Amino acid sequence: ETGVTQTPRHLVMGMTNKKSLKCEQHLGHNAMYWYKQSAKKPLELMFVYSLEERVENNSVPSRFSPECPNSSHLFLHLHTLQPEDSALYLCASSQGSGVDTDTQYFGPGTRLTVL
Amino acid sequence: EDQVTQSPEALRLQEGESSSLNCSYTVSGLRGLFWYRQDPGKGPEFLFTLYSAGEEKEKERLKATLTKKESFLHITAPKPEDSATYLCVLRGNEKLTFGTGTRLTIIP
Repeated sequence: ETGVTQTPRHLVMGMTNKKSLKCEQHLGHNAMYWYKQSAKKPLELMFVYSLEERVENNSVPSRFSPECPNSSHLFLHLHTLQPEDSALYLCASSQGSGVDTDTQYFGPGTRLTVL
Repeated sequence: EDQVTQSPEALRLQEGESSSLNCSYTVSGLRGLFWYRQDPGKGPEFLFTLYSAGEEKEKERLKATLTKKESFLHITAPKPEDSATYLCVLRGNEKLTFGTGTRLTIIP
């Protein structure tokens, strides 16, 4: 595997379910990100992890819970979601330092539908 | 507050018809401007990073330029496979700001 991978690619869940999204990066990067992308809206940054420590949390509801066990893996645990949470969830990674710090490389995304 | 505005929202071109996409911005301290390409249902794919006014970068039929107020993504003699949404992303002193994208359709 190369680049950034995400599983599952598609997920349908009820409002009472618990599920998790997984992201893995094979680029040797130190920072990982979760984004939400809704139709006709800019990407919304949800969480940032740098060297496995959460450094940013943009007022995301507690029904979204991130986990970063190491610099290559990132999870987003989902619990009691709402229909308005249906969106494409993107994971990205970047180098931790240097001029290219913010060049982010994205995974293919998980298309989430909440019924 | 940092802002990014992309125009047009959508653009339809005939194959071979060159054009430009615009990204206007205001920022408190530009640290970088990024262009990404995104195909439907997929994650954005990195294209270019520009760091200072006057800088230009090219890749195949695409050329990105930067001034103090805007960036252009020029597409020369496009092909149908260039159809995608093109995203402009601004890095200021505090954060990244994403544009809403230009949806480009190339008609054979």
